[in-house]
Amino acid sequence: AQKVTQAQTEISVVEKEDVTLDCVYETRDTTYYLFWYKQPPSGELVFLIRRNSFDEQNEISGRYSWNFQKSTSSFNFTITASQVVDSAVYFCALETYNTDKLIFGTGTRLQVFP
Amino acid sequence: DTAVSQTPKYLVTQMGNDKSIKCEQNLGHDTMYWYKQDSKKFLKIMFSYNNKELIINETVPNRFSPKSPDKAHLNLHINSLELGDSAVYFCASSQYQSDSGNTIYFGEGSWLTVV
Repeated sequence: AQKVTQAQTEISVVEKEDVTLDCVYETRDTTYYLFWYKQPPSGELVFLIRRNSFDEQNEISGRYSWNFQKSTSSFNFTITASQVVDSAVYFCALETYNTDKLIFGTGTRLQVFP
Repeated sequence: DTAVSQTPKYLVTQMGNDKSIKCEQNLGHDTMYWYKQDSKKFLKIMFSYNNKELIINETVPNRFSPKSPDKAHLNLHINSLELGDSAVYFCASSQYQSDSGNTIYFGEGSWLTVV
C-alpha cells in the first residue's frame, strides 16, 4: 500500500528561523515520484518540486532545499530564513509509476510570525 | 494566462440541487483530474481522464459525473447535492514525460458549500 505521513500538523516559527517539514512515505514500487506542494491562505495548490526515486541528489532552490533519503523513506523540506510569505499548508505527495495519481500526506501548516 | 482554470471559484447551493464545475487547461496536457479537499484539508483524487477517456474513478458516488468534451476540458457535474459534498474541488492536468515522469498542475480550486 502507498502512504505518505506528515507527522507535524502545525509548526510556528519567527521570521528568519530555519524550519524543516518532515515527510515519510511508504511504497513497494521501485519507481516512484515525490512531490511538495504549497497551499497559501488564498487556497491554490502550487507545485514546488518533483523528485524521482532514482535521483537521491538533494536540491536547493533559493531558500528552499529538499533532502531525499531512500534509506529512511523520507523527503524532507527545509526553508532557510523563513519569511511571513512562507506561511501556508505544505503537502508532500507520492506518485507510483504509471498510476497517474498523487497520494497526499495530511499537510503541515506553517505559520511564520514577524 | 492561467494554465488550469476552473469556474466558478465559489458556489453556494441548497441540498438536492444539481451543479457543475468547469475546468480548462491550456498546457496541451493529455491527462486531467479532479481532486477533492475536505474540511480537514485532506486531498484525494476522484477521477482522471487521458485524452477524453476515463482512467481513474476512485469509488466516487454515481451522483458525480465527469465529462471531457475534449482533452483540454474536464467538467464535473454533481446531482442531488448533499451536505457532505461541501469541499474544495481542484481540477488538475499533467503530461507524462518518459525521462521525468508526471508533474501535476492544479487549478485554483472551487469552493462548494451545500446548505
